[in-house]
Amino acid sequence: AQSVTQLDSHVSVSEGTPVLLRCNYSSSYSPSLFWYVQHPNKGLQLLLKYTSAATLVKGINGFEAEFKKSETSFHLTKPSAHMSDAAEYFCVVSDAPNAGGTSYGKLTFGQGTILTVHP
Amino acid sequence: GAGVSQSPRYKVAKRGQDVALRCDPISGHVSLFWYQQALGQGPEFLTYFQNEAQLDKSGLPSDRFFAERPEGSVSTLKIQRTQQEDSAVYLCASSPRTGNNGYTFGSGTRLTVV
Repeated sequence: AQSVTQLDSHVSVSEGTPVLLRCNYSSSYSPSLFWYVQHPNKGLQLLLKYTSAATLVKGINGFEAEFKKSETSFHLTKPSAHMSDAAEYFCVVSDAPNAGGTSYGKLTFGQGTILTVHP
Repeated sequence: GAGVSQSPRYKVAKRGQDVALRCDPISGHVSLFWYQQALGQGPEFLTYFQNEAQLDKSGLPSDRFFAERPEGSVSTLKIQRTQQEDSAVYLCASSPRTGNNGYTFGSGTRLTVV
């Protein structure tokens, strides 16, 4: 079984300050992890993904995340927030390919973190 | 098309009415998923197709929900006798292969049951 916990339902930052969105995961095997962003009335957009290569993953729009197996964490960061970053962010875990059973890439989403950016 | 297309974008149904939600995946994509996103929640898995085969329907909440993908391309999610708790955004995603490869999500259909 796999699960994701996003530790903050809302995060508020000022424009130009760092962003930290926290995520802890649970998985029976080496997971694949993703961060998605959802702007209002828009589809889900992939920010970045970790699939057992480098533990520090760089994504689009200046976001990055670090996979820490010892802490079962995959926190999302950005050095300097922009107004356009205001959206809802989802941490997602997937069953790894060939993990046994139904390993076709089913995604399990966290509850989401709403990021507000103040001018 | 260039992306995953879902229709209608919005649907209002009276309680007890049947609805059909359509998903046009990216051409040639093997995998197709349906997710349900209730207000203020993350998306939750409903069902998975590999080509025309429905390999996993464990997330369908009741036997009122039915999905098909008869020719391995377009998929339809049907909800019979809609209830208020069915109100949600229904998301479709497709991927070129199985496994963790390049999911593309549609913009969703927002269903409101009144």
